[in-house]
Amino acid sequence: AQSVTQPDIHITVSEGASLELRCNYSYGATPYLFWYVQSPGQGLQLLLKYFSGDTLVQGIKGFEAEFKRSQSSFNLRKPSVHWSDAAEYFCAVGAGNQAGTALIFGKGTTLSVSS
Amino acid sequence: DGGITQSPKYLFRKEGQNVTLSCEQNLNHDAMYWYRQDPGQGLRLIYYSQIVNDFQKGDIAEGYSVSREKKESFPLTVTSAQKNPTAFYLCASSIPPGMGNQPQHFGDGTRLSIL
Repeated sequence: AQSVTQPDIHITVSEGASLELRCNYSYGATPYLFWYVQSPGQGLQLLLKYFSGDTLVQGIKGFEAEFKRSQSSFNLRKPSVHWSDAAEYFCAVGAGNQAGTALIFGKGTTLSVSS
Repeated sequence: DGGITQSPKYLFRKEGQNVTLSCEQNLNHDAMYWYRQDPGQGLRLIYYSQIVNDFQKGDIAEGYSVSREKKESFPLTVTSAQKNPTAFYLCASSIPPGMGNQPQHFGDGTRLSIL
């Protein structure tokens, strides 16, 4: 069965410092991978997605993620964090064209930004 | 602008009462989903529908019911059988998985609490 693990429940980063949020997935075939961000009391906003091709994908708000098949990882990065990036981040995997699928979400990583 | 509208934003339920959460989308998406979000648990799938008049149970369907009479609407009823309904409920929509894994678009959620 597919699964997603986000090892870090909570991360604190200084404003202006770099950020990396970890995501590991379990899936037998080529996965479809997503990162979403959620501000308190709001829905989820798509940051970026990976379907195929270039393993380094660019997203909105200056985020990027790298797909590493050998490590079953899809880590999210940002070179310089802004205070407005404080939010909860979710990694998700889609199971391709199998019938009856929806996205499988990790449990999320809460990002705090210190001044 | 196209999007997903969930209403109400806050909802209170008395013991033994059924309540219905509304979800409407004007994105012309065929697939719609309901998730439940609890702190530290990520998103868990309640029900999903890939086409009008058809829907399937997700991982935690007990105590919930849905209908899909129109493409634009996918209401969720939280029945009295759901013993722990206090949570944040998120509705999402997408192109069906069978047409390629497309990202899901989310509404802003409904927070349900027990009186």
